[in-house]
Amino acid sequence: DAGVIQSPRHEVTEMGQEVTLRCKPISGHNSLFWYRQTMMRGLELLIYFNNNVPIDDSGMPEDRFSAKMPNASFSTLKIQPSEPRDSAVYFCASSSGQVGYTFGSGTRLTVV
Amino acid sequence: TQLLEQSPQFLSIQEGENLTVYCNSSSVFSSLQWYRQEPGEGPVLLVTVVTGGEVKKLKRLTFQFGDARKDSSLHITAAQPGDTGLYLCAGDSSSNTGKLIFGQGTTLQVKP
Repeated sequence: DAGVIQSPRHEVTEMGQEVTLRCKPISGHNSLFWYRQTMMRGLELLIYFNNNVPIDDSGMPEDRFSAKMPNASFSTLKIQPSEPRDSAVYFCASSSGQVGYTFGSGTRLTVV
Repeated sequence: TQLLEQSPQFLSIQEGENLTVYCNSSSVFSSLQWYRQEPGEGPVLLVTVVTGGEVKKLKRLTFQFGDARKDSSLHITAAQPGDTGLYLCAGDSSSNTGKLIFGQGTTLQVKP
């Protein structure tokens, strides 16, 4: 298995533009998580899905953020419009049961 | 709100020294995990502890879960430069949701 695959690895965009981050979880994992990591706040859970259904989106900062999981093998996190304070590394992780997360390599987002 | 506090935040030691990293909370966790993250990559799961008082060993790394399942420690014996990285503890709430809360992390630098 190739692990959790995220794209793009790096994204630089201008303030106000729409940004879409993509994630392919490990096949057979039924839970998917989106995290954001910054030096100041560490790893923050944004949203998680169980069997493609959003379970908890209380960590989504504001309405500019949205996430979808149309099927078991794909999820997106969209920011529209983007702002400089959204600059961070965004991680996707998947898991099956209580055995721990497998993280992707992350997307480093820079909003200028 | 469940919080995990890690200490120390930063640790710089010489090769061959021993060290302990602590992870504390006022909340009870059904399980606790330790991850290691290298620059430019996502966190990688090291171990999961489930039972209060449990001790697990992974080569030179010893993990312990507190009796009350509110705290954990990671002890590294004879640290090597390859142990350098960010160590994160993460707890699953007592409701066993599969949703992890992460500590802020301990940055370890092992100098040759």
